[in-house]
Amino acid sequence: DAKTTQPNSMESNEEEPVHLPCNHSTISGTDYIHWYRQLPSQGPEYVIHGLTSNVNNRMASLAIAEDRKSSTLILHRATLRDAAVYYCILRDWRAPGGSQGNLIFGKGTKLSVKP
Amino acid sequence: ETGVTQSPTHLIKTRGQQVTLRCSSQSGHNTVSWYQQALGQGPQFIFQYYREEENGRGNFPPRFSGLQFPNYSSELNVNALELDDSALYLCASSPGTGSTGELFFGEGSRLTVL
Repeated sequence: DAKTTQPNSMESNEEEPVHLPCNHSTISGTDYIHWYRQLPSQGPEYVIHGLTSNVNNRMASLAIAEDRKSSTLILHRATLRDAAVYYCILRDWRAPGGSQGNLIFGKGTKLSVKP
Repeated sequence: ETGVTQSPTHLIKTRGQQVTLRCSSQSGHNTVSWYQQALGQGPQFIFQYYREEENGRGNFPPRFSGLQFPNYSSELNVNALELDDSALYLCASSPGTGSTGELFFGEGSRLTVL
């Protein structure tokens, strides 16, 4: 799986939007872009994923650059509960069965939310 | 719908001992994977089980082994514990079908090796 680059940390104010960037310049045409987050003392939690088009769900939006070499996770109104480490991960949809469970995590972006 | 549950939540062992960690997968999920997360790092893939067979493995030595049972629950066994094995061990389950790769994680078992 291709590599991703994220800032080590970001800060946000409560109730303001947050844009978390991710660079993946070596992405292949068959890589999905996944985002997970890990709240303190918990396991990672799926947030959103996409391939080419922008995606929205109840938790966040994912904006994918036209060349797919970067993407941005958007939290529309940050809350204190959104303070977590956010991981951007690439997954090849052709991955054989034996690697379905193999997500390659980097160090992610630690998001702090100020009241 | 019951999520992924792991036990124990915390445990302390001494170097050289053996440990068994347990995981119950989410209902309907037949694939379980295990991760090790050292302090300040992202999780690292140990291995994956599908229908009671290991079918994917990361860069971990053979003293890390596992089992998956007919009800899809799973165990992670670590023999000859070393100090560097101190970490949070995470279990994740997935439906095993489709290719979007969404995993459902438990809260982990925190192992301390003294």
